[in-house]
Amino acid sequence: NAGVTQTPKFRVLKTGQSMTLLCAQDMNHEYMYWYRQDPGMGLRLIHYSVGEGTTAKGEVPDGYNVSRLKKQNFLLGLESAAPSQTSVYFCASSYSAETQYFGPGTRLLVL
Amino acid sequence: TQLLEQSPQFLSIQEGENLTVYCNSSSVFSSLQWYRQEPGEGPVLLVTVVTGGEVKKLKRLTFQFGDARKDSSLHITAAQPGDTGLYLCAGSARGSARQLTFGSGTQLTVLP
Repeated sequence: NAGVTQTPKFRVLKTGQSMTLLCAQDMNHEYMYWYRQDPGMGLRLIHYSVGEGTTAKGEVPDGYNVSRLKKQNFLLGLESAAPSQTSVYFCASSYSAETQYFGPGTRLLVL
Repeated sequence: TQLLEQSPQFLSIQEGENLTVYCNSSSVFSSLQWYRQEPGEGPVLLVTVVTGGEVKKLKRLTFQFGDARKDSSLHITAAQPGDTGLYLCAGSARGSARQLTFGSGTQLTVLP
């Protein structure tokens, strides 16, 4: 099993450009999450999904959109990137809140 | 909004020393977890505590959940360089749709 994978690993964008981050899990988990991690601020929840076809807002959803068309995939989109979105993005999946499995992260730099 | 405060934010110690990291909140959590994160990787779950007053041991690591389920501590005995990493606590509240609230983390460096 690969667990949770994320693509790309690293990306540089110019302000105003758009991109999609892909998260895939092979553990048949119902729940999937997108977090961003910034220095000194821990992990903050952007959006999450409790099952295929469902999404919900987390703590910091502005400027991001998500889709869960297939159970194993959770996509995070940035329609118009801003420098404030420079961060490390982590995807996680779980079958319960007691254990979340994280991907290796995507490092995004917005110039 | 539920907040988890971790202290200290940074900790640098010599190999063989003991240390304690704290995680505090004004909110009650149904469970609390500790994760360790190494550079360039995602967090990895170390332990989950669910009962007030619960103590769990994982080799040289001892985790405690406060009686009121608002705070937790992580104690490491005889730290080793391999313990170096970012330690994160995360709380789960009842009715939170399986969401976790993360603390800001403690960056531990163990010097040989």
